[in-house]
Formats: sequence, C-alpha cells, structure tokens
Amino acid sequence: EAGVTQFPSHSVIEKGQTVTLRCDPISGHDNLYWYRRVMGKEIKFLLHFVKESKQDESGMPNNRFLAERTGGTYSTLKVQPAELEDSGVYFCASSRQGVGSNEQFFGPGTRLTVL
Amino acid sequence: GESVGLHLPTLSVQEGDNSIINCAYSNSASDYFIWYKQESGKGPQFIIDIRSNMDKRQGQRVTVLLNKTVKHLSLQIAATQPGDSAVYFCAEGRNDYKLSFGAGTTVTVRA
Repeated sequence: EAGVTQFPSHSVIEKGQTVTLRCDPISGHDNLYWYRRVMGKEIKFLLHFVKESKQDESGMPNNRFLAERTGGTYSTLKVQPAELEDSGVYFCASSRQGVGSNEQFFGPGTRLTVL
Repeated sequence: GESVGLHLPTLSVQEGDNSIINCAYSNSASDYFIWYKQESGKGPQFIIDIRSNMDKRQGQRVTVLLNKTVKHLSLQIAATQPGDSAVYFCAEGRNDYKLSFGAGTTVTVRA
C-alpha cells in the first residue's frame, strides 16, 4: 500500500509570494490532517478534513492559509502571501474513519523556506 | 494552552543499552497517547500507542508506560541499535483525532 505523499519536498520562495503544497493521503483514508513544525519546535496541528469537509481548522495561523480537499481525495494548502514566519516543515497525515482508527500515517513533509 | 512536552531535548545511549524517553502532558482530558519516530528527511513514523484505560503496552523492543496520576508518558527501547537514532515525539489525542505533539527528543546511539 502506498503511503502518504507530499509535493514538493522543498520549496524556497520570497516573502509575499504564493506557495501551494499538495498532499495525497493513503487511498481510502477519509481523515486528512495538516501539521507544521517551525524551527525545530513541536509539531503543531493546523486542520483536519473528513472527506471533503473541514472538521477542525482551529490550528490555522491566519487567513493567509487556505486548505482545500475537493472531492475528498488529495488536499492542497496554499499560503498567500507568504511571510518569513511561515518557514518550516509542513506535514500531512491520514487515517481511516471510525472507532479505533486514530493511527495517523504521516507523509515525508514539505520543507518551506520563505526568504 | 495545554500542551505535551518532553523532559529532555537530547539523549545519548550506548548501543545495546536500554533507552528511556520521557514525556509530560498537561491535558487530563487526553485519552490516547502515541510515540512517533522521525528519521532525517522522513515524516513521523508510528511506533506504539496506548489508551488512557491502560498503563502499559508492549511492542517489539518497545514499551510505553502511562502514569495518569502524574500525567507522565515514557517510551522504553530495549537493546538500543544504531537504527534507533532519530527524533522521538510523544503526542496526545482526543476523540476529535487532533494530535498535540511535544518538541521531540533527539536520540543518538553510540557505537
């Protein structure tokens, strides 16, 4: 079974530019999550999709971040306009739906550097 | 807000010895705890989990202990190997599936 994949693996952009990160969850996983690790600190939750619906977006830093999951398959996370403090590693994870399915499988992450 | 944290940012272990990684959490409502291992260039990889109705769970070479009285979680790795060198994160979860992570402990195995 293929794991969670993320694209790109690295992105270097200038402040004020726009970047879109993509996540392909494991096939059949209804739950999709975005997390972020900034400057070696803890990994922080951003938001959670169940299929195409946003279940919880309490971790989104501000309105410069927009996540979508049209069709309930892959998801994108757009940062517009990017700021210096947005630099970090963005992880996507997915899990099955239902009781006892909390195990989240993580992708390799996208390392974003904003100059 | 409440968060999950680790006691030590780094741990150096002699190959063959047992490792113990500690984590303190502050949210008494947490009902699910997980340990993840992250190797360089990869995402966090699930190691073992434990629910709040248990105090110990064993896997292959790993044991997780949960002490709800003092809100403490630990991961024990038996006979540590060079491949165990990585960053280890503890995380807590609740019914809504959202995970809260600690800052991580970097484990270095000495030959």
